[in-house]
Amino acid sequence: GENVEQHPSTLSVQEGDSAVIKCTYSDSASNYFPWYKQELGKRPQLIIDIRSNVGEKKDQRIAVTLNKTAKHFSLHITETQPEDSAVYFCAASSYGTGNQFYFGTGTSLTVIP
Amino acid sequence: DSGVTQTPKHLITATGQRVTLRCSPRSGDLSVYWYQQSLDQGLQFLIQYYNGEERAKGNILERFSAQQFPDLHSELNLSSLELGDSALYFCASSLRESGTDTQYFGPGTRLTVL
Repeated sequence: GENVEQHPSTLSVQEGDSAVIKCTYSDSASNYFPWYKQELGKRPQLIIDIRSNVGEKKDQRIAVTLNKTAKHFSLHITETQPEDSAVYFCAASSYGTGNQFYFGTGTSLTVIP
Repeated sequence: DSGVTQTPKHLITATGQRVTLRCSPRSGDLSVYWYQQSLDQGLQFLIQYYNGEERAKGNILERFSAQQFPDLHSELNLSSLELGDSALYFCASSLRESGTDTQYFGPGTRLTVL
């Protein structure tokens, strides 16, 4: 089955700096890669996603890049704010063949004011 | 508030027991997903139902079962509970069958097995 690795497990940045979280996957059949943000004690929320036919996607301060050849994808947050502090999870899925979801182990991001 | 509801919020039970977790999807959503989140295993996909039928199966134990009813609410049944089943159980709903549809998560049910 698919194996998703996520790094780093913890990340601290100064407010205004950028944060980058990286994930690798093993199954070349994976073609959909969502990112979730989970604040302490709350539910996961989708923040951005990317399909395998796209190399990059942006939504305001958040961007995701995908390198299918190397089987890795990254989340980029620019101009970080204290409210960006949360745990971020990446996931890989192969839609069209059963909707299995495989999650990374999470990155705890702390934005220091 | 995502519009997805889960009951109960907390559940404390003993090993060997059986419990049922309930999820009501957002109005209009036909797909329901179940996830388990624990400290040692992280977030794991368990199962997906679409319009009453099972569509995808993840790391769901044989002791666990789920179903989606005609009114689209879903139940996750956990039996012969073990200490390791203690976790936060989320359900999520989405509009269609496709896994690329945005999933909206419920608040979760925290299960503690003593």
